[in-house]
Amino acid sequence: ETGVTQTPRHLVMGMTNKKSLKCEQHLGHNAMYWYKQSAKKPLELMFVYNFKEQTENNSVPSRFSPECPNSSHLFLHLHTLQPEDSALYLCASSHGLAGDRGEQFFGPGTRLTVL
Amino acid sequence: AQKVTQAQTEISVVEKEDVTLDCVYETRDTTYYLFWYKQPPSGELVFLIRRNSFDEQNEISGRYSWNFQKSTSSFNFTITASQVVDSAVYFCALILGSGGSYIPTFGRGTSLIVHP
Repeated sequence: ETGVTQTPRHLVMGMTNKKSLKCEQHLGHNAMYWYKQSAKKPLELMFVYNFKEQTENNSVPSRFSPECPNSSHLFLHLHTLQPEDSALYLCASSHGLAGDRGEQFFGPGTRLTVL
Repeated sequence: AQKVTQAQTEISVVEKEDVTLDCVYETRDTTYYLFWYKQPPSGELVFLIRRNSFDEQNEISGRYSWNFQKSTSSFNFTITASQVVDSAVYFCALILGSGGSYIPTFGRGTSLIVHP
């Protein structure tokens, strides 16, 4: 069983809806990440948090809004999305950011479909 | 900036064949870490191995082995006697070790299909 859980596993939403993705890690890690994985495209890093502080925003549109209330929880708030935002959204955590602590543990992902 | 190239988009083999997945990286830093992940059809990426730039020893774990060669900037992954359960997308990744961005750089992945 993975130490990183994501809910919901599947989400269908209209372009005017507001929804949130939740990620929780039970590994005692300090860093958490959001990735977007679209068909036929490489894995795209969206946001990085380290000790609850955002350290990276990879030019993500403002319709995606992350929140990290503590080192164990990470949210991705969604509003007024576009059909091209349909993808698998993966959450990951790691002990730290540096390479010697950087192996990431991933959740199962949320399959998002925007109609 | 660093880069990871997995030139093989898809590989198809028959069970029990050996298969090698290629990973070539680019970085100017001398300290860095390389990773391999497996993404089965269920979706979540699973960490397989981490290797630092100062350790060129090859590693074997069961049917899996990794060949790290700094001279060719490659970190290749071989599966011996492949099985259907090895069917997945495999990603190679790089993280700098110090003084640089700690953001992981992933390759585009290689889809491995193992036929019974």
